Amino acid sequence: GAVVSQHPSWVICKSGTSVKIECRSLDFQATTMFWYRQFPKQSLMLMATSNEGSKATYEQGVEKDKFLINHASLTLSTLTVTSAHPEDSSFYICSAQTRTGGPYEQYFGPGTRLTVT
Amino acid sequence: GQNIDQPTEMTATEGAIVQINCTYQTSGFNGLFWYQQHAGEAPTFLSYNVLDGLEEKGRFSSFLSRSKGYSYLLLKELQMKDSASYLCAGMDSNYQLIWGAGTKLIIKP
Repeated sequence: GAVVSQHPSWVICKSGTSVKIECRSLDFQATTMFWYRQFPKQSLMLMATSNEGSKATYEQGVEKDKFLINHASLTLSTLTVTSAHPEDSSFYICSAQTRTGGPYEQYFGPGTRLTVT
Repeated sequence: GQNIDQPTEMTATEGAIVQINCTYQTSGFNGLFWYQQHAGEAPTFLSYNVLDGLEEKGRFSSFLSRSKGYSYLLLKELQMKDSASYLCAGMDSNYQLIWGAGTKLIIKP
Protein backbone atom coordinates (compact mmCIF):
# COMPACT_ATOMS: atom_id res chain seq x y z
CA GLY A 1 0.00 0.00 0.00
CA ALA A 2 0.86 3.71 0.15
CA VAL A 3 1.83 4.18 -3.48
CA VAL A 4 2.43 7.60 -4.95
CA SER A 5 2.70 8.10 -8.67
CA GLN A 6 4.16 11.02 -10.54
CA HIS A 7 3.71 11.96 -14.16
CA PRO A 8 5.63 12.52 -16.32
CA SER A 9 8.77 10.75 -15.15
CA TRP A 10 10.87 12.97 -17.37
CA VAL A 11 10.20 15.96 -19.58
CA ILE A 12 12.21 18.17 -21.87
CA CYS A 13 10.81 21.60 -22.69
CA LYS A 14 11.92 24.79 -24.33
CA SER A 15 12.76 27.90 -22.37
CA GLY A 16 9.71 30.07 -21.79
CA THR A 17 7.15 27.27 -21.87
CA SER A 18 5.21 25.84 -18.93
CA VAL A 19 5.28 22.30 -17.62
CA LYS A 20 2.74 20.56 -15.39
CA ILE A 21 3.71 17.69 -13.12
CA GLU A 22 1.06 15.51 -11.50
CA CYS A 23 1.35 13.71 -8.19
CA ARG A 24 -1.24 11.12 -7.20
CA SER A 25 -1.71 9.01 -4.10
CA LEU A 26 -3.10 5.77 -5.50
CA ASP A 27 -4.36 3.88 -2.47
CA PHE A 28 -4.77 6.41 0.31
CA GLN A 29 -6.05 9.90 0.88
CA ALA A 30 -3.29 12.45 1.19
CA THR A 31 -4.32 15.32 3.41
CA THR A 32 -0.97 16.94 2.79
CA MET A 33 1.37 16.86 -0.19
CA PHE A 34 4.89 18.17 -0.44
CA TRP A 35 6.92 19.25 -3.43
CA TYR A 36 10.69 18.96 -3.36
CA ARG A 37 13.44 19.87 -5.74
CA GLN A 38 16.80 18.19 -5.85
CA PHE A 39 19.83 19.31 -7.82
CA PRO A 40 22.57 16.80 -8.63
CA LYS A 41 24.52 15.65 -5.60
CA GLN A 42 22.50 17.89 -3.29
CA SER A 43 19.92 17.14 -0.66
CA LEU A 44 16.18 17.43 -0.98
CA MET A 45 14.93 20.99 -0.84
CA LEU A 46 11.34 21.51 0.21
CA MET A 47 9.58 23.92 -2.14
CA ALA A 48 6.07 23.97 -0.77
CA THR A 49 3.49 22.22 1.36
CA SER A 50 -0.09 21.92 0.24
CA ASN A 51 -3.20 20.84 2.08
CA GLU A 52 -6.22 19.71 0.14
CA GLY A 53 -8.53 22.56 -0.69
CA SER A 54 -6.29 25.34 0.53
CA LYS A 55 -3.45 27.43 -0.81
CA ALA A 56 0.04 26.03 -0.74
CA THR A 57 2.61 27.28 1.75
CA TYR A 58 5.85 28.10 -0.03
CA GLU A 59 9.30 27.96 1.49
CA GLN A 60 11.38 31.08 1.60
CA GLY A 61 12.96 31.86 -1.74
CA VAL A 62 10.49 29.85 -3.81
CA GLU A 63 8.47 32.01 -6.19
CA LYS A 64 4.82 31.12 -5.84
CA ASP A 65 3.93 32.79 -9.15
CA LYS A 66 6.47 30.66 -10.95
CA PHE A 67 5.74 27.36 -9.25
CA LEU A 68 1.97 27.00 -9.18
CA ILE A 69 0.65 24.30 -6.91
CA ASN A 70 -2.89 23.00 -6.93
CA HIS A 71 -4.10 20.38 -4.46
CA ALA A 72 -7.59 19.89 -5.84
CA SER A 73 -8.44 16.60 -4.19
CA LEU A 74 -7.20 14.20 -1.53
CA THR A 75 -5.42 12.16 -4.19
CA LEU A 76 -4.06 14.72 -6.62
CA SER A 77 -1.65 17.63 -6.49
CA THR A 78 -0.09 19.39 -9.46
CA LEU A 79 2.99 21.53 -9.81
CA THR A 80 3.20 23.84 -12.81
CA VAL A 81 6.54 25.39 -13.64
CA THR A 82 5.65 28.53 -15.55
CA SER A 83 7.95 30.23 -18.05
CA ALA A 84 10.61 27.61 -17.41
CA HIS A 85 14.27 28.51 -17.77
CA PRO A 86 17.38 26.30 -17.91
CA GLU A 87 18.09 26.98 -14.23
CA ASP A 88 14.77 25.29 -13.41
CA SER A 89 16.18 22.02 -14.73
CA SER A 90 16.11 19.69 -11.75
CA PHE A 91 14.64 16.55 -10.24
CA TYR A 92 11.20 17.33 -8.82
CA ILE A 93 9.80 14.92 -6.26
CA CYS A 94 6.42 14.93 -4.57
CA SER A 95 5.47 13.18 -1.38
CA ALA A 96 2.11 12.53 0.19
CA GLN A 97 1.19 12.30 3.82
CA THR A 98 -1.97 11.31 5.57
CA ARG A 99 -2.56 12.97 8.89
CA THR A 100 -5.18 10.57 10.10
CA GLY A 101 -3.17 8.48 12.50
CA GLY A 102 0.59 8.22 12.88
CA PRO A 103 3.39 8.05 12.12
CA TYR A 104 2.66 10.58 9.38
CA GLU A 105 5.23 9.08 7.12
CA GLN A 106 5.78 10.78 3.80
CA TYR A 107 5.43 8.49 0.80
CA PHE A 108 7.44 9.62 -2.17
CA GLY A 109 6.61 9.59 -5.83
CA PRO A 110 9.30 8.38 -8.24
CA GLY A 111 10.23 11.92 -9.25
CA THR A 112 10.15 13.94 -12.47
CA ARG A 113 13.34 14.94 -14.20
CA LEU A 114 12.85 18.30 -15.91
CA THR A 115 15.29 19.55 -18.53
CA VAL A 116 14.77 23.03 -19.94
CA THR A 117 16.64 23.77 -23.15
CA GLY B 1 16.41 26.93 14.72
CA GLN B 2 15.86 23.49 13.33
CA ASN B 3 18.81 21.45 12.17
CA ILE B 4 19.79 17.93 11.22
CA ASP B 5 23.45 16.92 11.11
CA GLN B 6 24.87 13.78 9.57
CA PRO B 7 28.21 12.92 7.97
CA THR B 8 28.58 13.75 4.31
CA GLU B 9 30.15 10.51 3.21
CA MET B 10 31.16 7.14 4.61
CA THR B 11 32.95 4.16 3.12
CA ALA B 12 32.56 0.55 4.22
CA THR B 13 33.42 -2.93 3.00
CA GLU B 14 31.00 -5.48 1.62
CA GLY B 15 29.86 -7.84 4.38
CA ALA B 16 30.80 -5.42 7.16
CA ILE B 17 28.69 -3.28 9.50
CA VAL B 18 28.33 0.49 9.30
CA GLN B 19 26.68 3.00 11.61
CA ILE B 20 25.45 6.33 10.29
CA ASN B 21 24.90 8.92 12.98
CA CYS B 22 22.45 11.79 13.04
CA THR B 23 21.87 14.58 15.53
CA TYR B 24 18.76 16.68 15.39
CA GLN B 25 17.19 19.85 16.70
CA THR B 26 13.54 20.37 15.90
CA SER B 27 10.73 22.56 17.16
CA GLY B 28 8.78 19.88 18.92
CA PHE B 29 9.37 16.26 18.03
CA ASN B 30 7.13 13.72 16.35
CA GLY B 31 9.68 11.14 15.39
CA LEU B 32 12.87 10.48 13.46
CA PHE B 33 12.88 8.96 10.00
CA TRP B 34 15.54 7.33 7.89
CA TYR B 35 15.22 7.15 4.12
CA GLN B 36 17.42 5.54 1.49
CA GLN B 37 17.97 7.26 -1.82
CA HIS B 38 19.75 5.71 -4.78
CA ALA B 39 21.21 8.08 -7.33
CA GLY B 40 18.55 9.42 -9.68
CA GLU B 41 15.69 7.96 -7.68
CA ALA B 42 13.28 9.22 -5.05
CA PRO B 43 13.81 8.39 -1.37
CA THR B 44 12.33 5.23 0.07
CA PHE B 45 11.31 4.80 3.68
CA LEU B 46 13.57 2.71 5.92
CA SER B 47 12.60 3.32 9.51
CA TYR B 48 10.76 5.44 12.03
CA ASN B 49 11.57 5.96 15.73
CA VAL B 50 9.54 8.00 18.16
CA LEU B 51 10.47 6.26 21.42
CA ASP B 52 13.96 5.70 22.80
CA GLY B 53 15.63 2.49 21.85
CA LEU B 54 16.53 0.25 19.00
CA GLU B 55 14.18 -0.81 16.21
CA GLU B 56 15.40 -3.76 14.19
CA LYS B 57 14.20 -4.57 10.70
CA GLY B 58 16.22 -7.25 8.99
CA ARG B 59 19.71 -6.06 8.17
CA PHE B 60 18.81 -2.49 9.12
CA SER B 61 18.33 -1.16 12.64
CA SER B 62 17.65 2.35 13.87
CA PHE B 63 18.27 3.80 17.30
CA LEU B 64 16.91 6.89 19.00
CA SER B 65 17.86 8.83 22.12
CA ARG B 66 15.48 11.74 22.59
CA SER B 67 17.38 13.18 25.53
CA LYS B 68 20.51 13.44 23.40
CA GLY B 69 18.81 14.43 20.16
CA TYR B 70 20.61 11.55 18.53
CA SER B 71 19.85 8.70 16.19
CA TYR B 72 21.80 6.19 14.21
CA LEU B 73 21.11 3.80 11.37
CA LEU B 74 22.96 0.50 11.56
CA LEU B 75 23.45 -1.55 8.43
CA LYS B 76 24.70 -5.13 8.80
CA GLU B 77 26.05 -7.60 6.26
CA LEU B 78 26.57 -4.84 3.78
CA GLN B 79 25.82 -5.54 0.16
CA MET B 80 26.91 -3.59 -2.90
CA LYS B 81 23.29 -2.56 -3.48
CA ASP B 82 23.39 -0.69 -0.16
CA SER B 83 25.53 1.97 -1.84
CA ALA B 84 23.21 4.97 -1.66
CA SER B 85 22.56 8.16 0.24
CA TYR B 86 20.90 7.80 3.61
CA LEU B 87 18.73 10.68 4.70
CA CYS B 88 17.91 11.45 8.31
CA ALA B 89 14.80 13.53 8.91
CA GLY B 90 13.20 14.79 12.09
CA MET B 91 9.48 15.49 12.25
CA ASP B 92 8.58 18.70 14.03
CA SER B 93 5.46 19.72 15.92
CA ASN B 94 3.73 20.59 12.63
CA TYR B 95 4.38 17.09 11.28
CA GLN B 96 6.80 18.47 8.73
CA LEU B 97 10.06 16.69 8.02
CA ILE B 98 13.30 18.55 8.58
CA TRP B 99 15.86 16.92 6.32
CA GLY B 100 19.54 16.32 6.78
CA ALA B 101 21.81 16.70 3.77
CA GLY B 102 22.24 12.95 3.51
CA THR B 103 25.15 10.58 4.00
CA LYS B 104 26.58 9.04 0.87
CA LEU B 105 27.56 5.47 1.67
CA ILE B 106 30.16 3.86 -0.57
CA ILE B 107 30.52 0.11 -0.37
CA LYS B 108 33.77 -1.43 -1.53
CA PRO B 109 34.22 -5.10 -2.44
